[in-house]
Order: sequence, then C-alpha cells, then structure tokens
Amino acid sequence: DAGVIQSPRHEVTEMGQEVTLRCKPISGHDYLFWYRQTMMRGLELLIYFNNNVPIDDSGMPEDRFSAKMPNASFSTLKIQPSEPRDSAVYFCASSFSYRGNKEKLFFGSGTQLSVL
Amino acid sequence: GQQVMQIPQYQHVQEGEDFTTYCNSSTTLSNIQWYKQRPGGHPVFLIQLVKSGEVKKQKRLTFQFGEAKKNSSLHITATQTTDVGTYFCAGPASFGNEKLTFGTGTRLTIIP
Repeated sequence: DAGVIQSPRHEVTEMGQEVTLRCKPISGHDYLFWYRQTMMRGLELLIYFNNNVPIDDSGMPEDRFSAKMPNASFSTLKIQPSEPRDSAVYFCASSFSYRGNKEKLFFGSGTQLSVL
Repeated sequence: GQQVMQIPQYQHVQEGEDFTTYCNSSTTLSNIQWYKQRPGGHPVFLIQLVKSGEVKKQKRLTFQFGEAKKNSSLHITATQTTDVGTYFCAGPASFGNEKLTFGTGTRLTIIP
C-alpha cells in the first residue's frame, strides 16, 4: 500500500484565495483525521470522520474551514477565504478500528500551506 | 479540556548519551501512544501502552506508562544521529474517544 497520500505537498497562495487540500487514506481504514501543525500550537486535531461521516469538528477554527469525505478513499479540507494565520502544515491521517479498539494513526506527508 | 504536556521542550545531547522525555496528561488515559517526527517529515507511530505500569522496549528505546495512567516516559539509551527528531506522546481525549490529543513534543538534537 502506498500509505496516506496528500496533495499538494506545497501550496502558496494569496490572502483571500480558496485553498483545497486533498487526502487519500489507506484502503480499509475507517477513520480519517485532519491535523494542523504550527510551532506555536503544535499538532491540533481539526476534524475526524468515521466511515465517511464527520464525528467531531470542534477543532475547526472557524467557518472559513470545511471538510468533506464523499467516499472512503477521498477527503478534502477547504479554506475559503484563506488568511496568513492559516499558514501551517496540514496532515491527514487514517486508522482502522479492530474489535472496537482504534489502532495507530498513519500520517500522510502533509501539505505545507503558505498564505501571503 | 484535556492537556498533554511534555518536558523538556528541547534536548541537545552528545552522541552516545542517554535521553529521556516525560509526558503528563491532565486526565487519566486509557492508553498512550508515542510518535516520532523527523525534521521535515510526518509523525510515525512508535508504540502503544495500555496497562498501568507497563514497560515496553524497542532496541535502545524504553517506554513506560505510569501507575496512575496519567504520565509516561520515553528513554533512549546511547543516542545515535538517527534518533534526531521530535517525539510526541498522544492520548485519547477521554475513555473510548477516538480523538487523540498530542503532547507538546520534545525536540531531540544530537551533537556528533
């Protein structure tokens, strides 16, 4: 398996523009997580899905952020409009549950977002 | 909400010296996981501890889960340059919760 695949690896955009980050989880995994990493705030969970259904989006900063998972093999995180303070590395991670126990997270390589 | 703190924030050691990072949660954890993130990379799972007082070893790495299940430690014996990176602990936000709260991390640098 190729692991969790994220695109793009790097994104540079101007303030006010729409940004879409993409993630393909590992096949067979039933959980998908979006994390954001910054020096100041560390690794923050934004939202997570179970079987394509959003379970907890309490970490989403504000209405400018939205996430979807239309099927088991694809998820997007959208920022509209983007602001300089959104600059960070965004990680997607997936895992599977076995007998009710959630296993370890597999992270993608991340998207380095810079909003000018 | 739950807070997971790690100390120290940074650690610089001479190659061959030992290294320890400590993880403390504000709440009791059902389990704790450890991840390593190389510079410019992504977090990679190292291990999961579940039982109170549990100790697990992976070659030069020793992981321990506290008796009260609120703290954990990672000890590396005789560090090597390949150990460079940031080490994170992570625990569920609450019992049975799938949300993992990551610790603040300890960044390890090795002086050759």
